[in-house]
Amino acid sequence: GAGVSQSPSNKVTEKGKDVELRCDPISGHTALYWYRQSLGQGLEFLIYFQGNSAPDKSGLPSDRFSAERTGGSVSTLTIQRTQQEDSAVYLCASSPRATSGGITDTQYFGPGTRLTVL
Amino acid sequence: QKEVEQNSGPLSVPEGAIASLNCTYSDRVSQSFFWYRQYSGKSPELIMSIYSNGDKEDGRFTAQLNKASQYVSLLIRDSQPSDSATYLCAVRASGGSYIPTFGRGTSLIVHP
Repeated sequence: GAGVSQSPSNKVTEKGKDVELRCDPISGHTALYWYRQSLGQGLEFLIYFQGNSAPDKSGLPSDRFSAERTGGSVSTLTIQRTQQEDSAVYLCASSPRATSGGITDTQYFGPGTRLTVL
Repeated sequence: QKEVEQNSGPLSVPEGAIASLNCTYSDRVSQSFFWYRQYSGKSPELIMSIYSNGDKEDGRFTAQLNKASQYVSLLIRDSQPSDSATYLCAVRASGGSYIPTFGRGTSLIVHP
């Protein structure tokens, strides 16, 4: 079946511009995560959506970052007034709703969006 | 602060050998443990998940979990050059947070 898709695959922008990154999760998955990964670094958690619950925004690095998820499916990550340090690969992942035992919380990652801020 | 530690490597093993990748974590209430493989320039893909103490085998891969010692390992038997990648360990606590914490990954190189 179709996996997680992200667009665009690459984005080059100028410092100070706003960018929007899109994620289409696997159909039926209620949980959606955004991460970013800088060169040679691990995954940095940004934001988590679960169904209709309020998102967990605890990983957003500044108020220039925001995300929304419409209709419990597609999500958009927006970065305003981009800075050079925002350059990274932005990864989206989705997972089925976790059971009480956490058995079904495997994350499936999209291909990522490589953002370059000049 | 929840921490997941991995040796960054690179770990270099000859083809056909056993590669052993280790991960330690700080949060004692952790319940779910995952190993992801990430090829250069690609996104992570799940290799193994483990939830109970002991070993879990899947083909050439074996995950080992020891909650008392707070470590989880991944063994790759009969290593192949195609196994060369970065392996990420992820740990999730029980309870309300479904956000796993990822280690920085261990780079594995399998040379012919």
